[in-house]
Amino acid sequence: DSGVTQTPKHLITATGQRVTLRCSPRSGDLSVYWYQQSLDQGLQFLIQYYNGEERAKGNILERFSAQQFPDLHSELNLSSLELGDSALYFCASSVGLGQRSTDTQYFGPGTRLTVL
Amino acid sequence: QKEVEQDPGPLSVPEGAIVSLNCTYSNSAFQYFMWYRQYSRKGPELLMYTYSSGNKEDGRFTAQVDKSSKYISLFIRDSQPSDSATYLCAAGGVTDKLIFGTGTRLQVFP
Repeated sequence: DSGVTQTPKHLITATGQRVTLRCSPRSGDLSVYWYQQSLDQGLQFLIQYYNGEERAKGNILERFSAQQFPDLHSELNLSSLELGDSALYFCASSVGLGQRSTDTQYFGPGTRLTVL
Repeated sequence: QKEVEQDPGPLSVPEGAIVSLNCTYSNSAFQYFMWYRQYSRKGPELLMYTYSSGNKEDGRFTAQVDKSSKYISLFIRDSQPSDSATYLCAAGGVTDKLIFGTGTRLQVFP
């Protein structure tokens, strides 16, 4: 158990809908990262927050947005869902910015999103 | 071209074999390199971290980085069925984001 929690575990929804994925980082971790994992694309970095502020952005679609709250939990909002958005969404957390050997990313169990 | 390339496998070996997993990367600014292990339907977990070039050993696992050829390797000695998983290499540079390979699926059979 990494200490990172994600809810829900599974989500099934229809095209055009909007969903919110939630992540609670490990106690003491200030950074939260969101990743999308699909069979053909592997693990794709979406976005990172550090202590409430957006820190780095990856291949995140405009239909997707995220935020980190004062209690450091984070939410990833996916809107106007398409079939191709079906994937595993992982949250990870680290103490700092994630560059040092002592500052590694710990991954949560993921949310499996299925868009029908 | 992807920044980090990894053969997806699957790689199937008998128990006790030495396993070699490899990645190549294109960005010469990458300075730190990691290997993650991901069991089916679980989140990735960090196995090895290497900064710059060189070797790092941890039990049955050895990570190697050759920055001159932009090549990353993970060796598993005395492989066990419990090592069956997907192995993801990752690299990062001065920015914070890690770039992951697509993962190599390893199957160790008894």
